[in-house]
Amino acid sequence: GQQLNQSPQSMFIQEGEDVSMNCTSSSIFNTWLWYKQDPGEGPVLLIALYKAGELTSNGRLTAQFGITRKDSFLNISASIPSDVGIYFCAGQVQGAQKLVFGQGTRLTINP
Amino acid sequence: NAGVTQTPKFQVLKTGQSMTLQCAQDMNHNSMYWYRQDPGMGLRLIYYSASEGTTDKGEVPNGYNVSRLNKREFSLRLESAAPSQTSVYFCASSLEDNEQFFGPGTRLTVL
Repeated sequence: GQQLNQSPQSMFIQEGEDVSMNCTSSSIFNTWLWYKQDPGEGPVLLIALYKAGELTSNGRLTAQFGITRKDSFLNISASIPSDVGIYFCAGQVQGAQKLVFGQGTRLTINP
Repeated sequence: NAGVTQTPKFQVLKTGQSMTLQCAQDMNHNSMYWYRQDPGMGLRLIYYSASEGTTDKGEVPNGYNVSRLNKREFSLRLESAAPSQTSVYFCASSLEDNEQFFGPGTRLTVL
């Protein structure tokens, strides 16, 4: 089946640093979504992308839909303690009901 | 709007016991989903329902049954629980076939 490779698996950074993570696939996706999961909670949608090359921001978060439609990137600028959590990418093939999820990137911030 | 709600939040079962996880959404969404989340495995789709009265298998359906009771409610049943079903279960819903919104999860332990 389709798989998403999300990297890195974990990140340990200092408060104030910028963060970058990405997802890649061998399949072409028409939709890319980025979610954040806090401990003990369900994933929360951060950004949705629908067009190749699209760059969308949500506060300090910026995500891009790769030109090849096989990848997506999420950047967090000037990290703060509440950014701690697990970030998931998810992709959807056109016409498919289901999302394919990456394995997640666990972000830890040292104050 | 409560969004997606799930009950119970926590449950402990003995092997062989049965139980039903409840999910409801108040966003008038057409599609609903059940996922399980295990450490290092990301989110895996168990079953989904594209509309009231229809259900389809996802990636890991064995040992589970579902019922789309009406547009709002989608339940997941374990007929004979096994230790391998110890996991965190998330329900999600979406209006179209893309942006999914998740509930807070049910933490299930099978002894």
